[in-house]
Amino acid sequence: RKEVEQDPGPFNVPEGATVAFNCTYSNSASQSFFWYRQDCRKEPKLLMSVYSSGNEDGRFTAQLNRASQYISLLIRDSKLSDSATYLCVVNRVTGGGNKLTFGTGTQLKVEL
Amino acid sequence: ETGVTQTPRHLVMGMTNKKSLKCEQHLGHNAMYWYKQSAKKPLELMFVYSLEERVENNSVPSRFSPECPNSSHLFLHLHTLQPEDSALYLCASSQKGQANSPLHFGNGTRLTVT
Repeated sequence: RKEVEQDPGPFNVPEGATVAFNCTYSNSASQSFFWYRQDCRKEPKLLMSVYSSGNEDGRFTAQLNRASQYISLLIRDSKLSDSATYLCVVNRVTGGGNKLTFGTGTQLKVEL
Repeated sequence: ETGVTQTPRHLVMGMTNKKSLKCEQHLGHNAMYWYKQSAKKPLELMFVYSLEERVENNSVPSRFSPECPNSSHLFLHLHTLQPEDSALYLCASSQKGQANSPLHFGNGTRLTVT
């Protein structure tokens, strides 16, 4: 089983739609969680951290369920500019520092 | 200059060449990373340096040789690479030991081995 699993997509949605991405992780010792966004041929950029109580940043809402080892990202009112690959990232702090594991990413295409 | 900067942005090299990738971070972080991103694959962690000490080496072939002279600079020395080493190489930094410290990536070096 992969340490971090995501549906690769692509998700093709019309502008204005609401879309949700899911992610599961296998290591229960994971301590922190992030969503990154990666545009084609660019570096990943932090979209938002994911907190236990859930958190919202504008049109983006992240949820964490530690019992089920499940993370989600909800995007409301999708824009064309939201088209990108969304990476689920899980972090454990080890003696050597932070060990971040990336999912393969979910591709989103927002269309007119 | 802020953030994480990588040079060069693009690199084409033959299998017998020797080249180096450079990374510099201006965020005051104390951990630096090299990742490899190949098409259709998740980011693969190659090396981690924490307080200038290599703390992780994920079974990376010896043709890749990292160097971390101080907490702000990281190099990846390349020699006798193979065509399958063609990929996007990403440098990142974070604050060691802080679980909520995300990675900050440089813009990457797109490497082509001919």
